Amino acid sequence: AQSVTQPDIHITVSEGASLELRCNYSYGATPYLFWYVQSPGQGLQLLLKYFSGDTLVQGIKGFEAEFKRSQSSFNLRKPSVHWSDAAEYFCGGGNNDMRFGAGTRLTVKP
Amino acid sequence: DGGITQSPKYLFRKEGQNVTLSCEQNLNHDAMYWYRQDPGQGLRLIYYSQIVNDFQKGDIAEGYSVSREKKESFPLTVTSAQKNPTAFYLCASSQTGTGGNQPQHFGDGTRLSIL
Repeated sequence: AQSVTQPDIHITVSEGASLELRCNYSYGATPYLFWYVQSPGQGLQLLLKYFSGDTLVQGIKGFEAEFKRSQSSFNLRKPSVHWSDAAEYFCGGGNNDMRFGAGTRLTVKP
Repeated sequence: DGGITQSPKYLFRKEGQNVTLSCEQNLNHDAMYWYRQDPGQGLRLIYYSQIVNDFQKGDIAEGYSVSREKKESFPLTVTSAQKNPTAFYLCASSQTGTGGNQPQHFGDGTRLSIL
């Protein structure tokens, strides 16, 4: 079945440390892939998207993601996390329909 | 500024009551979506509409109904048949109707609770 999986439910990092959030997809063809962020009680905000071409995608708020076909992954990264990055992060993707992962909650330690 | 407006932000439902959640967009998007969000389960698609006067069931449509009489509006009714309606409901829209190849823009959600 076509799906998007986020293996990590909750991640804690120290402020200033680097961050990597994992996302794996299961599609026959390369899907369109997105990362969203959600603050408590809010909707989802688009961080970045991948359609084709360059496999390293730059987004807003200093985030980037790398598409790796061989690993069926689209992991989100940030070199130095800020306390304001604490939120829930969703990976989404699809060919003809959008599927979302279950989300990864990020806690930032001072 | 263009965007998606969901109202109300909080809603309470009594047993046996139908309630309607509003979603309005001024982005001129063709497609609109309703998702239900429960802790630890991500977003699950309830209904979606690719064009006015047409809509399709998503993964968890039972107990819900929608209409799409105007391009800007896609209200969701939670009927009394939905036995576990307590959740956070998110409305979204996208530029085209195919769903998978354009990013979706989200409203700020409506939290529905049972009285």
